[in-house]
Amino acid sequence: AQKITQTQPGMFVQEKEAVTLDCTYDTSDQSYGLFWYKQPSSGEMIFLIYQGSYDEQNATEGRYSLNFQKARKSANLVISASQLGDSAMYFCAMRERGGKLIFGQGTELSVKP
Amino acid sequence: GAVVSQHPSWVICKSGTSVKIECRSLDFQATTMFWYRQFPKQSLMLMATSNEGSKATYEQGVEKDKFLINHASLTLSTLTVTSAHPEDSSFYICSARVSVKIKGQGPLNTGELFFGEGSRLTVL
Repeated sequence: AQKITQTQPGMFVQEKEAVTLDCTYDTSDQSYGLFWYKQPSSGEMIFLIYQGSYDEQNATEGRYSLNFQKARKSANLVISASQLGDSAMYFCAMRERGGKLIFGQGTELSVKP
Repeated sequence: GAVVSQHPSWVICKSGTSVKIECRSLDFQATTMFWYRQFPKQSLMLMATSNEGSKATYEQGVEKDKFLINHASLTLSTLTVTSAHPEDSSFYICSARVSVKIKGQGPLNTGELFFGEGSRLTVL
């Protein structure tokens, strides 16, 4: 069965610093997709970044980049130049066949001024 | 971007009553929608896959008679929590997968997934 693991329940980062949120996954599929979402206290799920299993380049979207290491089955999210508004829950997710997403446990990021 | 609307955003009800939550895709048709449940400080747990025109597929451990799902049109899926109890209090969130984009609404990729804003249910 497919599985997503986030081992950091909470993380702190100083404003303007970079932070890495860890995500490892387990799947027997050759083709899969990995996602990161941000969930502020309002509850909405905000899509941040996507990495396909066959993508050779690491995905980047503005201040977000995904450190994809296929052999290690890891897809860590790197947020550069942290801002106070980055404080939120962050979820790593994998797309299963049929399109449904399974989510990791989440990491609560707190950005300190 | 594409919008998926959930209604109501929050609801308080008495124990024993039923509550209906709507998930509507505004910019596209969605033959498939997903319903998730989330307890505070926890992950999103998939409850069921809603398929337009057919029965929903429920995840293991989810009571289908308790959580009724109806996907009556290409843009609307509903989740009804029947005979709600305090332990059903949770955050329910849907996501919709683009099957056909509506013309004039900008670029949308088939298969792309969008989330609703979520519905917070409190059962007294």
